[in-house]
Amino acid sequence: DAGVIQSPRHEVTEMGQEVTLRCKPISGHNSLFWYRQTMMRGLELLIYFNNNVPIDDSGMPEDRFSAKMPNASFSTLKIQPSEPRDSAVYFCASSSPDSGRETQYFGPGTRLLVL
Amino acid sequence: GESVGLHLPTLSVQEGDNSIINCAYSNSASDYFIWYKQESGKGPQFIIDIRSNMDKRQGQRVTVLLNKTVKHLSLQIAATQPGDSAVYFCAEIPQWTDKLIFGTGTRLQVFP
Repeated sequence: DAGVIQSPRHEVTEMGQEVTLRCKPISGHNSLFWYRQTMMRGLELLIYFNNNVPIDDSGMPEDRFSAKMPNASFSTLKIQPSEPRDSAVYFCASSSPDSGRETQYFGPGTRLLVL
Repeated sequence: GESVGLHLPTLSVQEGDNSIINCAYSNSASDYFIWYKQESGKGPQFIIDIRSNMDKRQGQRVTVLLNKTVKHLSLQIAATQPGDSAVYFCAEIPQWTDKLIFGTGTRLQVFP
């Protein structure tokens, strides 16, 4: 199994530009999570989906952030417009009923730098 | 990768010694308590978990202890190896949710 796949691995953009982060969960996993990691705030859950449906988006910072999961094998996290304070590492994770909700498999992350 | 803060608590141990990493949690109603390991440049990796109705669970070279009275969780690593060097996060899952709430992390450094 390839594990959770994220793209791009690195993204450098200018303030005001739109940023789209992509995630492919592990095949057969029905829960998908988006996290953000910064020095100041640590690892924060932004949003999670069960069976492609958003369940909890209370961690999404503001309206500039949006996430979609059009099918079981793909999700996007979009920031529009981006700001320097959005600079962070963004992780996607997935889990399945078989492995249990406590066992989440994380991707390698996307390191985002907004200038 | 950016997996740690500049001011993370750090535990330095000699190779072969046992390590104990501690964590305080806040939510008494959490179902599960979990330890994750994050190596530089990688995403967190599940190590071991414990249900809220247990006080001890053992894995391969790792043991997790849960003290609900004082809301304390610990991870013990036996015979620590250089490959154990990483940042370790405790996490909890509140009841009726799939949300992982992470602690701030502890950096473990293993020296020869």
